[in-house]
Amino acid sequence: DIQMTQSPASLSASLEEIVTITCQASQDIGNWLAWYQQKPGKSPQLLIYGATSLADGVPSRFSGSRSGTQYSLKISRLQVEDIGIYYCQQASSAPNTFGAGTKLELK
Amino acid sequence: QIQLVQSGPELKKPGESVKISCKASGYTFTDYAMNWVKQAPGNGLKWMGWINTQTGKPTYADDFKQRFVFSLETSASTAYLQINNLNIEDTATYFCTRWGYYDGSGYFDYWGQGVMVTVSS
Repeated sequence: DIQMTQSPASLSASLEEIVTITCQASQDIGNWLAWYQQKPGKSPQLLIYGATSLADGVPSRFSGSRSGTQYSLKISRLQVEDIGIYYCQQASSAPNTFGAGTKLELK
Repeated sequence: QIQLVQSGPELKKPGESVKISCKASGYTFTDYAMNWVKQAPGNGLKWMGWINTQTGKPTYADDFKQRFVFSLETSASTAYLQINNLNIEDTATYFCTRWGYYDGSGYFDYWGQGVMVTVSS
């Protein structure tokens, strides 16, 4: 199975700050990577697919990038509503595997 | 609008079975596969498998091949997850999620609200 190593496990940041979360794939997954946001008590929501494409309705302050087998999610100016847990997920091959998650809190 | 509405919370004893539902609306049910994802308390997301909504064929991840059953009621646009012989480790929230296709691959684009299943003696 493809392992997705996500870092950091938790992150505390201030409003308007730039936040970056990374995910390292254990093997080549091309651009087949998604990012999800899960707010407290809610179901996950798709943010980014294809490593860099923004899902419908997602604010433009979110962006995704790829460098080899390392993937990054960037929030350009952190807002209160961005608080939650973020997961990466590889869609290259079954079984679909998720990263362990990054808990984002306000400082 | 597209919605996946799941059934309510369940409290079960070890050894019992549970069947939870996921009703889809706002799109053609058979055009998209349905997946199931487990989230144990305080834990991350674990993909359980998927069901082909056109053929009804289920595919299970390795950890979910023994006691888990995916099924459909296509006429009602509803997918089901049944868990047999429940044990404490099955205590979790279970999500159904649609597998949407984007740029040649599938991603989980719509999610149900989740069903909390508690297994306790």
